Amino acid sequence: EDQVTQSPEALRLQEGESSSLNCSYTVSGLRGLFWYRQDPGKGPEFLFTLYSAGEEKEKERLKATLTKKESFLHITAPKPEDSATYLCALQIQGAQKLVFGQGTRLTINP
Amino acid sequence: KAGVTQTPRYLIKTRGQQVTLSCSPISGHRSVSWYQQTPGQGLQFLFEYFSETQRNKGNFPGRFSGRQFSNSRSEMNVSTLELGDSALYLCASSQTGGGTEAFFGQGTRLTVV
Repeated sequence: EDQVTQSPEALRLQEGESSSLNCSYTVSGLRGLFWYRQDPGKGPEFLFTLYSAGEEKEKERLKATLTKKESFLHITAPKPEDSATYLCALQIQGAQKLVFGQGTRLTINP
Repeated sequence: KAGVTQTPRYLIKTRGQQVTLSCSPISGHRSVSWYQQTPGQGLQFLFEYFSETQRNKGNFPGRFSGRQFSNSRSEMNVSTLELGDSALYLCASSQTGGGTEAFFGQGTRLTVV
């Protein structure tokens, strides 16, 4: 069965303290891995798509990487406005849907 | 470029009633997917439409249905509402649905009392 597991469930950091969020997966065939950011009461906001192992994407303080079994979202020198839930989702070969992890709730304290 | 628009933003319904939610995708996008988000289950896939055809359906009861119109706008319907249907319903649009980026609307918050 296709599965996506995100860790940790919640993470508190001080402003400027870098860290990484993990998304591990077991799928029959990966078509793409997506990272989203979601603020309370709002829809997920698209961040990155990764398609193959070794691929990396960057946007401001965020950098996403992909291996054959997991993806990392690295946050460098975060600011309070980076506080949100970060969701990882997979699109599986032959399936027109996204399978989401449970998310990591990130809090950045000033 | 306008984003994905969902209406209404909030709904309160009584058990046993039915409800229709609407989603207007990004211009040019032909794939529309629906998801249910709850604190306990997270985001779960309901169904996906492309060019008015349902291509995929999640593990939800038949009370949940949807359709897509020729202009790519989509609606989902939930009949005989149950308390457990209270959730944030999210619509996502993408160009083709197959590995392309999916962009979400703000969602419709449905509360069943």
